[in-house]
This record gives sequence, structure tokens and C-alpha cells, in this order.
Amino acid sequence: AQTVTQSQPEMSVQEAETVTLSCTYDTSESDYYLFWYKQPPSRQMILVIRQEAYKQQNATENRFSVNFQKAAKSFSLKISDSQLGDAAMYFCAYRSFTQGGSEKLVFGKGTKLTVNP
Amino acid sequence: DTAVSQTPKYLVTQMGNDKSIKCEQNLGHDTMYWYKQDSKKFLKIMFSYNNKELIINETVPNRFSPKSPDKAHLNLHINSLELGDSAVYFCASSQGQVNSPLHFGNGTRLTVT
Repeated sequence: AQTVTQSQPEMSVQEAETVTLSCTYDTSESDYYLFWYKQPPSRQMILVIRQEAYKQQNATENRFSVNFQKAAKSFSLKISDSQLGDAAMYFCAYRSFTQGGSEKLVFGKGTKLTVNP
Repeated sequence: DTAVSQTPKYLVTQMGNDKSIKCEQNLGHDTMYWYKQDSKKFLKIMFSYNNKELIINETVPNRFSPKSPDKAHLNLHINSLELGDSAVYFCASSQGQVNSPLHFGNGTRLTVT
């Protein structure tokens, strides 16, 4: 079974600075997808960024980018120019490429990010 | 315009009661899910339905029974509620393709007293 590990329960960053959140996963599959979701205090789950395992190029979405190291099974999230609105729980998630019903999103335990003014 | 909506937003009830949470999506997705988020914020899948057919049941007690009348709706009924059922329950939907991200509802906070 796939597992996702986020080793940093909490992180903090100064406004306008850069922070990197770590995520590692365990799988025997070669094709899969990885996601980062953000959960602010409002409780809403918001997709931040996604990465296809077969793509070597790291995904970027404005101030958010990932460092995907397939061999190391690592998928870290970098937030540049941190803003107060970035404060939230961040969840790393793994989704299997296998079609036909057994696919699901497996989440890490989350990293709580605090942004200091 | 809400993509995935679930009701109620909050639910407070006593042990032993039966309650339901409703979920509807207007995205045209063919797959819907129920996730449970515990007090430590850990998210775990409970059920997944594809075109009204149950495809994932993650060792959830029989007291939990999902019902999908059509592919736009997935309701969760819980019998004989226990204290340990207190959590936030999220409904989600996706297109059923693995690269399609899940779209989540805003969650239902269930408190069992």
C-alpha cells in the first residue's frame, strides 16, 4: 500500500520569505500523480499544485512550485514570497495511476504553516 | 455556483442517534468520495462511488452506509452514533481519471456527545 509522509508537523516563515514543505512517499508503481492541497482555517480543501510522475519537469503555479525527485520518492512544495493568506495546513497526496476502481487519494498527515508578519 | 456542496455544515447529536449527511456535485463528475478527517487532521478515505457503484470501502464499520441515488449525489448515513465518530466528514468528486484532482466540499463537522 502506498504511504505518504510529511515529516514537518509545523513550519513557520516570515512574510515575503520562501519556505519549503517536505513530502516523501512509498510506492512500487512507476506511474502516479502527486498533489498538494491547502486547508485554511475555513476548513476548505484547495488544490495547490499537481505533478505527473512521468513528467521530469517540476510543476509551477505562480508562487508555488515543487521539487519532484522520482528516484528519491520526494515531492517538496516551495512557496515563494509568502503571504499571510498562505497560512494553512498543507497536505501532500498520492494518487495511483491504475484505472478501474481502486484509485484513491492517499494523504500525508499535513504540515501546519504559519506566516509571520 | 458551489461545485461540491454538503449539508449540514455542523451536526451535533447524542450517542446512539442516526444521522445523515448529504452531498451533491454539479461538476458532471462520475466519481464521488467520502473522507473522514480526525482530530489530528488526518484525512482518510471511507468510500468511493463511480457512476453510482461502490468501488472502495475502506474497512468502515457497518454503521456507515453510503447511498448514491445518481452520480451527482452521494449521501452518508450513520447509525447508532458513537463518540469516536466525531470528526469532519468531507465529500469530494472527480472525473475518475487519475490525473483529475478531487474537488472537495466544505466539510461537515460532526460532534457526538
